[in-house]
Parts: sequence; C-alpha cells; structure tokens
Amino acid sequence: GESVGLHLPTLSVQEGDNSIINCAYSNSASDYFIWYKQESGKGPQFIIDIRSNMDKRQGQRVTVLLNKTVKHLSLQIAATQPGDSAVYFCAENIMGGSYIPTFGRGTSLIVHP
Amino acid sequence: EPEVTQTPSHQVTQMGQEVILRCVPISNHLYFYWYRQILGQKVEFLVSFYNNEISEKSEIFDDQFSVERPDGSNFTLKIRSTKLEDSAMYFCASSPGTGDNSPLHFGNGTRLTVT
Repeated sequence: GESVGLHLPTLSVQEGDNSIINCAYSNSASDYFIWYKQESGKGPQFIIDIRSNMDKRQGQRVTVLLNKTVKHLSLQIAATQPGDSAVYFCAENIMGGSYIPTFGRGTSLIVHP
Repeated sequence: EPEVTQTPSHQVTQMGQEVILRCVPISNHLYFYWYRQILGQKVEFLVSFYNNEISEKSEIFDDQFSVERPDGSNFTLKIRSTKLEDSAMYFCASSPGTGDNSPLHFGNGTRLTVT
C-alpha cells in the first residue's frame, strides 16, 4: 500500500476562505515532510517543509502542521486566492536515508471567485 | 530565480523506438532525479543520481531505462525501447543536497506519448 496518502481528492472553496489540505503517512521513520503545489502543465513546486522535531511551521499565507502521534500532516492556506487552484502533494522522507521524497496521490484545490 | 529546464516539452514516439529526454538542472545542485506521472496519478520516483552514478532507483526503472550526465550541465533519461505504458509526464528535479532544507526543484516536464 501507499506510505503517503490523502483524505480528500478534491477540495472546493470560495475565494477568501481558508483551505485545509490533509495528508496521512504511515512510515513512522519519516522525519522530513514537504508540500508541493502542481499547477496544470507544470512540475511540482515547493511550498513549505517541516522537520519532525517541529509541529508547526509558517510561511507566507501557508502553515504546515505535523501530528506525529497520528502520523498526519496538513497544509493550511489563508485567504485562498484563485491562483492557489492546483493539485497539492505531500511528500515524506526518511532523514539519514536516501533522500527520495515519496509523493501521495494529491488533492485538487479549486478556488471559486 | 534559477530553474530546471526540460526539453522537449512534448515527445511523440512509436512503440519500440528509443527516446532521450533532456534536462538541465540548476547549476550548483549536486543531486538529480527523474520522476514520472501517468495521467491522473501520483508522481512516482524513477531514479536518483549523484557523483556521476545512480544512487537509488525504483522498480519502475528497469533495464529499458538509463540515465547519463554527459557533460557538466545536462542530465538525460533514455528509454531504450518504448512501450505504450511509458506514456506519461517525465519530470526532472535537482537539489543542492539531501535531507531538510534541500527540497527538490522540478522542471515543467516532458510529456511522452507512445503510439
């Protein structure tokens, strides 16, 4: 089975709302996590990352939360804009091992103006 | 901002033909990767490359695939005899190091269509 997966394949929100995209991982040895955004016709683009010794990290309009107890990761986007419409992937990596980010299936975020 | 560039953007080939997908990673990066994404599916790891040799490869990366860094700037993926199921987007990525603070930077991909 997949070591990284997503709860919701599609999320529709209104412009200005906050969005939350969730991700579950099953490998307890994973200790570095990354969120990528993929717009249509483009490659994945790095958004934000977090190490396992943290439970929260904030960027510009984005926040990643990590709950190691339940092996859950979330990406929060504040004041979602139409330009945020994309597929969002979480990826995990085992620190100290080969750095091979493993991607989940992705969640499609649709922002309605 | 430096980018990973890939050429061509779209490649159409007949089954059984050889294709070479080209990538120019970011110039000061040391680690290089190929991933693929079949339409509507997740991004799958193929191979990683460091210090002029393959460091990791997945089950997908069988004997039909090979990678090469022929000079100081290019990184290529060759598929020796393409199959219909090789049709996918192929993404090249590079990173300056491994582990945290070294996320992968992806190119915009080459769409390979095998007919």
